[in-house]
Amino acid sequence: KNQVEQSPQSLIILEGKNCTLQCNYTVSPFSNLRWYKQDTGRGPVSLTIMTFSENTKSNGRYTATLDADTKQSSLHITASQLSDSASYICVVDITGGGNKLTFGTGTQLKVEL
Amino acid sequence: NAGVTQTPKFQVLKTGQSMTLQCAQDMNHEYMSWYRQDPGMGLRLIHYSVGAGITDQGEVPNGYNVSRSTTEDFPLRLLSAAPSQTSVYFCASSERLGTGGRYEQYFGPGTRLTVT
Repeated sequence: KNQVEQSPQSLIILEGKNCTLQCNYTVSPFSNLRWYKQDTGRGPVSLTIMTFSENTKSNGRYTATLDADTKQSSLHITASQLSDSASYICVVDITGGGNKLTFGTGTQLKVEL
Repeated sequence: NAGVTQTPKFQVLKTGQSMTLQCAQDMNHEYMSWYRQDPGMGLRLIHYSVGAGITDQGEVPNGYNVSRSTTEDFPLRLLSAAPSQTSVYFCASSERLGTGGRYEQYFGPGTRLTVT
């Protein structure tokens, strides 16, 4: 069983709408939790990084939250744009050293007109 | 800065052939790593390096070799390609962001490898 589970697997929304992606993890303790955006045919790009003691982190229209008690994180996208169409990946870094990263399988988001 | 570059972008190999996937970064990062990405699975770490001359195994190292003779380059070698190595390979470099266990990770564009 994957230690980082993401939901939904895929999502279609209309341009301008908001959406929230979920990440449930069983990895504990950990150093930091991060969200990546991966466009089709490209490498992942970092959106947010939160240490275990942080509750929220924003990057423009992207806001990530972390609840260490329930072992859940979410990524909220505000006023979606067509360019937001991508896979969003939740990653838990156990040690902070980069060699113990557990990647989720991603949520595939499509933003339509 | 070109960031992290990878070559080739696409490659088709026959079973048993060997090849090297190239990775280079111009950001002077000490930490570099190789991942593979397969459908329905998260990225998995193959090998990583914390600096020139130092490499270590990740989660799925079998069938792959790495070396790190310079800070800039981190090639991944497939010794005898197998169909199970059909995947998309990503190289990444990382820089530490102050203290507290945070670092920024930069991925290359990937190499799509098919082994027949």
